[in-house]
Amino acid sequence: DGGITQSPKYLFRKEGQNVTLSCEQNLNHDAMYWYRQDPGQGLRLIYYSQIVNDFQKGDIAEGYSVSREKKESFPLTVTSAQKNPTAFYLCASSRQMNTEAFFGQGTRLTVV
Amino acid sequence: AQSVTQLGSHVSVSEGALVLLRCNYSSSVPPYLFWYVQYPNQGLQLLLKYTTGATLVKGINGFEAEFKKSETSFHLTKPSAHMSDAAEYFCAVSIMERDDKIIFGKGTRLHILP
Repeated sequence: DGGITQSPKYLFRKEGQNVTLSCEQNLNHDAMYWYRQDPGQGLRLIYYSQIVNDFQKGDIAEGYSVSREKKESFPLTVTSAQKNPTAFYLCASSRQMNTEAFFGQGTRLTVV
Repeated sequence: AQSVTQLGSHVSVSEGALVLLRCNYSSSVPPYLFWYVQYPNQGLQLLLKYTTGATLVKGINGFEAEFKKSETSFHLTKPSAHMSDAAEYFCAVSIMERDDKIIFGKGTRLHILP
């Protein structure tokens, strides 16, 4: 089945460690996105990519990094510089930037 | 730039009653409009979308929405609420420029009362 796969579903990290969240899509979509979701704050855009080997900062990019070496993959690294990384992270893709986005099931990151 | 406002962060309705979730948008050019649903600890799922054509759009799970240009609204309705409709709902807007991002509202949590 076509779709977006995020892994792992739950992730625990010690303070000071970097951690990478995986996002893979087989929808042949050009655009991919990472959002952060905190209770009561809706979706906040971290990074997005319109095409392979190109990506742009979103509204809350500080403390995060991404890469887009393959069309199918858009991993997100949460670095130790992110002061409050505990959150629910959602990856999405769309055929182009203004069309409907398809979401993965999310990764819940907890810093312990 | 476009924006979207969802009125009411929490809405409660009785089972069997009408569901009405409000969404207003701002856009200087014709918009594309979307409604998504999110169940706990899951990703967002597209309920319905409006791009062009018929202004009354039917989606999954018995939901529908009407694009009203004069009111800059895209309210989501369902005639009869079911317990399984309890979730968070997001309205979103984009425009016809292919390089412009989708903008999401802050969401409305729908509670269904038995």
